[in-house]
Amino acid sequence: EPEVTQTPSHQVTQMGQEVILRCVPISNHLYFYWYRQILGQKVEFLVSFYNNEISEKSEIFDDQFSVERPDGSNFTLKIRSTKLEDSAMYFCASSGRPNEPLHFGNGTRLTVT
Amino acid sequence: AQRVTQPEKLLSVFKGAPVELKCNYSYSGSPELFWYVQYSRQRLQLLLRHISRESIKGFTADLNKGETSFHLKKPFAQEEDSAMYYCALSGIGGSNYKLTFGKGTLLTVNP
Repeated sequence: EPEVTQTPSHQVTQMGQEVILRCVPISNHLYFYWYRQILGQKVEFLVSFYNNEISEKSEIFDDQFSVERPDGSNFTLKIRSTKLEDSAMYFCASSGRPNEPLHFGNGTRLTVT
Repeated sequence: AQRVTQPEKLLSVFKGAPVELKCNYSYSGSPELFWYVQYSRQRLQLLLRHISRESIKGFTADLNKGETSFHLKKPFAQEEDSAMYYCALSGIGGSNYKLTFGKGTLLTVNP
């Protein structure tokens, strides 16, 4: 069964550095999402992406965040200047159509020191 | 605003006992409700959705619009059901297809 893949599985970075989290959604999916989960808290929606543009974003997704689909397969989340509070598990997800169940990746654990 | 509440952070039962994981929601329109499960060291995966009306791994969930609830039930819990369970809500139609998750309930089924 096809899966969403995320790399790296764990990223450690220093405060103020830029990080790029990478995702390869399922190949025939058109809707892409990023969620995050701070340790001990719930999974939170960050952004949805369709047709090469952001469909919706949460209040968490401020100017330090950006998403890109640089080619036909990758979907990236960039955090420009990381803060300690960005430490979390970041999940990528994709679906073939809206309101179709999301397929999640294994997540990238980001640790900002 | 859409909100999902899972009042129990932890739930522990013995094998063979019935289990009910509670979920209440708040949404102004017609929502679609889901249960996602995350087994140890595995990814979040869909367990069931209310429009399918299916029973998956013995679990069922009925949407009660009057009580705005979508509780997950299984009559006889198994040890392999131990996992983190998340109730989630999505709006139907338009751009309201983002998922809003509850905080999750960690189910432990003891032998």
